Amino acid sequence: DTAVSQTPKYLVTQMGNDKSIKCEQNLGHDTMYWYKQDSKKFLKIMFSYNNKELIINETVPNRFSPKSPDKAHLNLHINSLELGDSAVYFCASSQDASATYNEQFFGPGTRLTVL
Amino acid sequence: AQSVTQLDSQVPVFEEAPVELRCNYSSSVSVYLFWYVQYPNQGLQLLLKYLSGSTLVESINGFEAEFNKSQTSFHLRKPSVHISDTAEYFCAVTVSGGYQKVTFGTGTKLQVIP
Repeated sequence: DTAVSQTPKYLVTQMGNDKSIKCEQNLGHDTMYWYKQDSKKFLKIMFSYNNKELIINETVPNRFSPKSPDKAHLNLHINSLELGDSAVYFCASSQDASATYNEQFFGPGTRLTVL
Repeated sequence: AQSVTQLDSQVPVFEEAPVELRCNYSSSVSVYLFWYVQYPNQGLQLLLKYLSGSTLVESINGFEAEFNKSQTSFHLRKPSVHISDTAEYFCAVTVSGGYQKVTFGTGTKLQVIP
């Protein structure tokens, strides 16, 4: 009964390719997030969706496009992959983004390696 | 904007010894403070959080953290560590109001030595 799941767990691809990462949460939460964790473990928010609407969009290249078909799913599509995109990408969810004290629940991560 | 500083990138400690992981934050408004733990090859999970009230908060596995407003700190402590505590620990902060946007520190790797 995984609360936040991501697929795939590992993704190895060539520069210039397009790839997608999928995320699903079964917690009934309204808000979902994408984070990027670099090789030094620094964790930075990329996007946040609340009830399928984009509410946070950090300074992320427009090669990254999130899509939320419903509030339980938040996918991340990356066009024209670059070497610097290599990182671990985490999906997370929280009950309600307007309650800023809420705990976030993280998925297991997707390790993306761009060759 | 808020920020978090974790000065120690790595903390080695012998099993059953006490440990303190330091965290300082900066914000011009009221904050909520969190400690998350990341075990190898896993996502982050909440260890404990401070919202209001008592400045000392505890987790179920023996960790505690104390909110110190005057020193803008939220240090994490455990009186006796176990091998299973080996992990990366992240201090995090959000502010009240608006949408939740968590700012994480750079993490502290706790290495428990048998």
